[in-house]
Amino acid sequence: SQQGEEDPQALSIQEGENATMNCSYKTSINNLQWYRQNSGRGLVHLILIRSNEREKHSGRLRVTLDTSKKSSSLLITASRAADTASYFCATDAGGNEKLTFGTGTRLTIIP
Amino acid sequence: GAVVSQHPSWVICKSGTSVKIECRSLDFQATTMFWYRQFPKQSLMLMATSNEGSKATYEQGVEKDKFLINHASLTLSTLTVTSAHPEDSSFYICRARDSRIPNSPLHFGNGTRLTVT
Repeated sequence: SQQGEEDPQALSIQEGENATMNCSYKTSINNLQWYRQNSGRGLVHLILIRSNEREKHSGRLRVTLDTSKKSSSLLITASRAADTASYFCATDAGGNEKLTFGTGTRLTIIP
Repeated sequence: GAVVSQHPSWVICKSGTSVKIECRSLDFQATTMFWYRQFPKQSLMLMATSNEGSKATYEQGVEKDKFLINHASLTLSTLTVTSAHPEDSSFYICRARDSRIPNSPLHFGNGTRLTVT
């Protein structure tokens, strides 16, 4: 399986704290994307980082990519209760728009 | 922005019946759509790539006669789960992007929760 691994599988933090999720993958990639999924809903695209990029920011989100270690991290700063969701990384290896999803991290923000 | 509408959002059916799920691109044309399946508390697994006007491409291990895909127009792809069984109960999600805009982002539908009793 080409599926990536994410850790932790579940994370609970107090509102206002920062949340960090990690993703590891197995093959060379064109880009890596992070998605958010609220329970029982579709996925929302958060951010895309290309293989030649090392870090990217979008609002309270910060994504890093280390292609030598085949890993990425998603940092959510100043967490809010509304950030409670599952977060998935997904890799695009062949440029054919097929995405391989990681196992996901269930994030719970405690008010 | 681009919107992908998926219908129904949930369906309960009896074992042995067939269920059709629709995925529509509301304000753009999509020559390619992707269908995913997600079991509870698990990740998304790509089932097939739906191509407008041609046969779908199925991933390894996905039965094409079980999961019929039709992409007859640039705005509609359908997934039919034939002779559904309880093990087919899952969350099915489609994904598409505007074919006319290079490198435009792909958008997910809101998913369909299928329960087979």
